[in-house]
Amino acid sequence: AQSVSQHNHHVILSEAASLELGCNYSYGGTVNLFWYVQYPGQHLQLLLKYFSGDPLVKGIKGFEAEFIKSKFSFNLRKPSVQWSDTAEYFCAVNARGGRRALTFGSGTRLQVQP
Amino acid sequence: ETGVTQSPTHLIKTRGQQVTLRCSSQSGHNTVSWYQQALGQGPQFIFQYYREEENGRGNFPPRFSGLQFPNYSSELNVNALELDDSALYLCASSSGQGANTEAFFGQGTRLTVV
Repeated sequence: AQSVSQHNHHVILSEAASLELGCNYSYGGTVNLFWYVQYPGQHLQLLLKYFSGDPLVKGIKGFEAEFIKSKFSFNLRKPSVQWSDTAEYFCAVNARGGRRALTFGSGTRLQVQP
Repeated sequence: ETGVTQSPTHLIKTRGQQVTLRCSSQSGHNTVSWYQQALGQGPQFIFQYYREEENGRGNFPPRFSGLQFPNYSSELNVNALELDDSALYLCASSSGQGANTEAFFGQGTRLTVV
């Protein structure tokens, strides 16, 4: 079975600060990796995904993530956050070649102060 | 907007009752997945339907059941409601059942069991 750990439950940053949210997964096989964002009152939106190839993945709104296979990690980064980035961020995985069911982490609530 | 619509948006039920939640998938999508998101947690996979057949199930009891219709819309039914069933129920649609297909989420139905 897969599992996902997000160690930062609540992060508070000032605008223009750099962001890194941790994500570690546990699974014996090959995985696809995702970061989703949930803005207050809105649906889950895909920020970025990694299936294969370049382990540094760029997503929407200036976000990027790096897959480090040896560390089972897929950390999310942004060089300079904005107030509008205030949201809940979820890391998720599924088994490559398997069904699409996603296993999510418990989420990180990001609060950006103006 | 993702094109995935869920109804109703909010619902209050009494313990022991039954509930039906509905989801209209995005045009062209033949796969629907359902997730339960308890407060402060990440979404948990309930089950997935592909072309009207259930083809994957998470760790949920049989009182959680579903249907997918020929137009690929879907229902989630929960019998004998328990207080712990209070959660946000999310529907996601995609154009295939494989792990590499992107899922688009609806805004969810907030179920409160009293």
